[in-house]
Amino acid sequence: DVKVTQSSRYLVKRTGEKVFLECVQDMDHENMFWYRQDPGLGLRLIYFSYDVKMKEKGDIPEGYSVSREKKERFSLILESASTNQTSMYLCASSLGTGPEKLFFGSGTQLSVL
Amino acid sequence: GQNIDQPTEMTATEGAIVQINCTYQTSGFNGLFWYQQHAGEAPTFLSYNVLDGLEEKGRFSSFLSRSKGYSYLLLKELQMKDSASYLCAVTTDSWGKLQFGAGTQVVVTP
Repeated sequence: DVKVTQSSRYLVKRTGEKVFLECVQDMDHENMFWYRQDPGLGLRLIYFSYDVKMKEKGDIPEGYSVSREKKERFSLILESASTNQTSMYLCASSLGTGPEKLFFGSGTQLSVL
Repeated sequence: GQNIDQPTEMTATEGAIVQINCTYQTSGFNGLFWYQQHAGEAPTFLSYNVLDGLEEKGRFSSFLSRSKGYSYLLLKELQMKDSASYLCAVTTDSWGKLQFGAGTQVVVTP
């Protein structure tokens, strides 16, 4: 089975801090995604990557950046955390051969105080 | 813009059938997915439809009508463990980026 691992389950940070969320997948998937999930809004795409060092903006990239230096690892960076970035962050990956199912990590619940 | 609508919550009794509707208005269409998400857990894949018609997989079936921008997920012989949020998602490109609806919380009662 594909395993997508997110480094932290819960994270508490202060406003203005730089925050790193790490995601690792173990099945040699080409595509990786970062979503945030908020009640009543569903999952919204922040960034995605279809290859090493490649990144594309999703629907809500403002305030975020990403890094993909190795195929298995996709990092989400909050340059200066704000309270409106308090959310559940979900990483996902897919094989990359076309529209196909995503495999999700367990999520990181980030609270920015 | 993209719009994917599904009901917020549905309640049904154990052993019954529940149908979760999803309507979408998107610029382009390359497939529709259903995911199940239990509280505090990651979403898991249930089904994928790209052509019109019904796809059956055990107790779960998914239907698609592209001309109507409509899909439903049918859950039969409901069990308590089916209590979860069900997410409808549409992909419009070849990368597999998904646009999600807000999810439907299904509550199964004894």
